[in-house]
Amino acid sequence: AQSVAQPEDQVNVAEGNPLTVKCTYSVSGNPYLFWYVQYPNRGLQFLLKYITGDNLVKGSYGFEAEFNKSQTSFHLKKPSALVSDSALYFCAVRDGTGGFKTIFGAGTRLFVKA
Amino acid sequence: GAGVSQSPSNKVTEKGKDVELRCDPISGHTALYWYRQRLGQGLEFLIYFQGNSAPDKSGLPSDRFSAERTGESVSTLTIQRTQQEDSAVYLCASSLSDPAYEQYFGPGTRLTVT
Repeated sequence: AQSVAQPEDQVNVAEGNPLTVKCTYSVSGNPYLFWYVQYPNRGLQFLLKYITGDNLVKGSYGFEAEFNKSQTSFHLKKPSALVSDSALYFCAVRDGTGGFKTIFGAGTRLFVKA
Repeated sequence: GAGVSQSPSNKVTEKGKDVELRCDPISGHTALYWYRQRLGQGLEFLIYFQGNSAPDKSGLPSDRFSAERTGESVSTLTIQRTQQEDSAVYLCASSLSDPAYEQYFGPGTRLTVT
């Protein structure tokens, strides 16, 4: 069975500082990994994904994530945080053997202070 | 183009009543998903449909929950004999016909059971 853990309920960072939002996963096959963001009063939006290939993937709004197979992690990063990055971030995983079932983490709320 | 739409946006119902929630996916998206998001929590997988395959109902929490999809278009999620613990935002998403593709989410239906 698939599972996702986001160990931090909340991450606080100062504007201009780098940010990391952590995610670890468990699947029986090869993982398909996704990050989504939920801004206040707006729907969930896709940020980036890892399917295969280069372990470092880049996505929208300057975000990137690194797939680490040995640590079963897919942490979201950004070199310089903006106040407008403040939102709820969700990591999600699919088992790459062909199923569409997607398991989401509990979410991490990011606060970027000016 | 048009995104995923859901109706109603808000629904208040009395305990014990049945409710129907509707989702219109993006045209051409063969995969459709339903999730539940309780206040302050992550997304809970309920069910997904993919083309003509049998739906994966493994996330439905009880037999009071059911969902149907007409071909590759509209889906309805039905909750019978609603309970207060059913109060949540119900999110629908759709995607293209490969698990490597990301999901596009609708704005959700906020269900309140009084």
